[in-house]
Amino acid sequence: GNSVTQMEGPVTLSEEAFLTINCTYTATGYPSLFWYVQYPGEGLQLLLKATKADDKGSNKGFEATYRKETTSFHLEKGSVQVSDSAVYFCALRRDSGGYQKVTFGTGTKLQVIP
Amino acid sequence: KAGVTQTPRYLIKTRGQQVTLSCSPISGHRSVSWYQQTPGQGLQFLFEYFSETQRNKGNFPGRFSGRQFSNSRSEMNVSTLELGDSALYLCASSLVAPRGTGELFFGEGSRLTVL
Repeated sequence: GNSVTQMEGPVTLSEEAFLTINCTYTATGYPSLFWYVQYPGEGLQLLLKATKADDKGSNKGFEATYRKETTSFHLEKGSVQVSDSAVYFCALRRDSGGYQKVTFGTGTKLQVIP
Repeated sequence: KAGVTQTPRYLIKTRGQQVTLSCSPISGHRSVSWYQQTPGQGLQFLFEYFSETQRNKGNFPGRFSGRQFSNSRSEMNVSTLELGDSALYLCASSLVAPRGTGELFFGEGSRLTVL
């Protein structure tokens, strides 16, 4: 079946540090890949996405590249801010049997300290 | 455009009771999914509805059930509540392919505490 593996958290960084959150996946075919973010007390919201190999998704300074050869979709940001403190979820969507199935990773909590 | 609305936002129940949670999707979205989020288990898929039909179901006991109405609004019900059912229950709506990109739009969740 499909699965998503994320690095364990929490990740604690100082403001302006470089961020990488690793994400690898297992799926047949050609899934679409997503990063969602959950701020404290809120639901998840889409951060960025990539729908095919070598696509780069980007938003709010975050980037992730769909690497089919390594089945990875690592999230990066060059300079984090305190406001980036949140839980980040990697996810894949696989169309199967005429409907979409979304699989989430376990989430990685990021804490940015001033 | 209004987002996904979940009610109630917070509720407290005791063991053995039952609870019903409601979700109103974004207008035009016909797919509604439910997730359970707990600190220990993370985000777990409960079920998905499309056009009033359950299309997919996660590994939860039969105490967890749901339904979708003709206006795409959805409810989920948990009967005979257990302490372990305490969680944040998230609802998400989406457009289905080919019109949709696969993005899920989440509500803020219903936080259930079972005493």
